[in-house]
Amino acid sequence: EAQVTQNPRYLITVTGKKLTVTCSQNMNHEYMSWYRQDPGLGLRQIYYSMNVEVTDKGDVPEGYKVSRKEKRNFPLILESPSPNQTSLYFCASSRPGTGIYEQYFGPGTRLTVT
Amino acid sequence: AQKVTQAQTEISVVEKEDVTLDCVYETRDTTYYLFWYKQPPSGELVFLIRRNSFDEQNEISGRYSWNFQKSTSSFNFTITASQVVDSAVYFCALTPMNRDDKIIFGKGTRLHILP
Repeated sequence: EAQVTQNPRYLITVTGKKLTVTCSQNMNHEYMSWYRQDPGLGLRQIYYSMNVEVTDKGDVPEGYKVSRKEKRNFPLILESPSPNQTSLYFCASSRPGTGIYEQYFGPGTRLTVT
Repeated sequence: AQKVTQAQTEISVVEKEDVTLDCVYETRDTTYYLFWYKQPPSGELVFLIRRNSFDEQNEISGRYSWNFQKSTSSFNFTITASQVVDSAVYFCALTPMNRDDKIIFGKGTRLHILP
C-alpha cells in the first residue's frame, strides 16, 4: 500500500531534550516536506527536499533540522525543543517528475513540549 | 507574493443543506495549481482536487463541486446535500508552476454538519 508513515504519532517531551520524528514513504517520491499545523495558522512549511542530499528551508525553519540521505526517509530533528514547538507535524511527499502535484501526507505527529 | 485566504473560519449547517467554502488566492504567477484538502476529525490530510490555471472548467465529483474563476481569483468548493461525514477542516492551497518547491495553504475552514 502506497503510504507515508511517521513515528511516533504522539510524543510528550521536556524542553531541551533532543528528539527525532521519522518520516518514510514507499512511493519513490523525490519531493518530501515537513509542515506544522497550529490553530488559526493552517499549515506552514518547515523544510522541504527536492531530492536526496538536497534540502531547503521553508517558512518556519528555526529550531529544526532535517536530512535526506535516502530517497525514502526524511527525518525531522529538534535539537533543543521548546514549548513553542508544541504542534501537530505532518510529513508529505509528492510524485517524481516536475512540479508538485497532489501531496501525500503522513498521519501526523502530535508533539507536546513541556 | 502568494497568499491563500479562506475567510470563513468556521461554518455550521444542518445535514442535507448545501454549503460553499470560499477560497481566494493571490499570486503574480500566470501559471499555478490550486488544491483542496480535507482534514477529518481523525487528523489525516486527504487530497480532494488539483486544478491548473489553464483550466477554468468547473468540476463535479459526486456531491462535491468546484468553481474556479480566474477573474476573481477564487476557487470555491461546494458540498451538495451535506452529510455528517463531511464534517472536517478544509484547506485550500496554491502552488506556482515555476516554483514547484512551494505550496501555500490557507488557514482552513472548519465545517460542522449538524444532524
